[in-house]
Amino acid sequence: AQSVAQPEDQVNVAEGNPLTVKCTYSVSGNPYLFWYVQYPNRGLQFLLKYITGDNLVKGSYGFEAEFNKSQTSFHLKKPSALVSDSALYFCAVESGNTGKLIFGQGTTLQVKP
Amino acid sequence: ETGVTQSPTHLIKTRGQQVTLRCSSQSGHNTVSWYQQALGQGPQFIFQYYREEENGRGNFPPRFSGLQFPNYSSELNVNALELDDSALYLCASSLPDRLVVPNTEAFFGQGTRLTVV
Repeated sequence: AQSVAQPEDQVNVAEGNPLTVKCTYSVSGNPYLFWYVQYPNRGLQFLLKYITGDNLVKGSYGFEAEFNKSQTSFHLKKPSALVSDSALYFCAVESGNTGKLIFGQGTTLQVKP
Repeated sequence: ETGVTQSPTHLIKTRGQQVTLRCSSQSGHNTVSWYQQALGQGPQFIFQYYREEENGRGNFPPRFSGLQFPNYSSELNVNALELDDSALYLCASSLPDRLVVPNTEAFFGQGTRLTVV
């Protein structure tokens, strides 16, 4: 069965510091991986995706993610965090080519001034 | 904003009632998926519609049903509401035709917050 794990319920960083939000996955076949962000009382906003190619994927708002096949990880990163980055972040894997997304439990990112 | 709109934004229903949630997909998107996001959880896939046909279903009972219309807008219907149906319901559309261009990202609406009392 395909699954996604986000081991941290919450990540706290100081503004200006680098941030990492962790994600590991379990899939059969090639993984199609996504990161979404959710602000309070809002839907999900797409940040970035990995389908194939370069293991370092760049996305919106300065975020990037590194695909590591041997560690089955797809960690979200940003070199310098902003207070406005504070939100709930979801990692997701697509089931085959179905368009069905399987989400992790989410990680709350808190960036303090 | 994504161009995917959902209505209503909030809804309160009584246990046992029926509810219909609506979604207008982004122009040109012919694939619509519905997700349920319970408080403190990640979204759970309910089902997907592609060109007006159901195209995959998650682990939800038959009282969750849907429709997609010729303009690709969609409805989610839930019968015999239970307290555990209280959640944020998210609609997502994909661009453009995912059987032609696979693995395109899904664009989500702002959701409908359903409270069952």
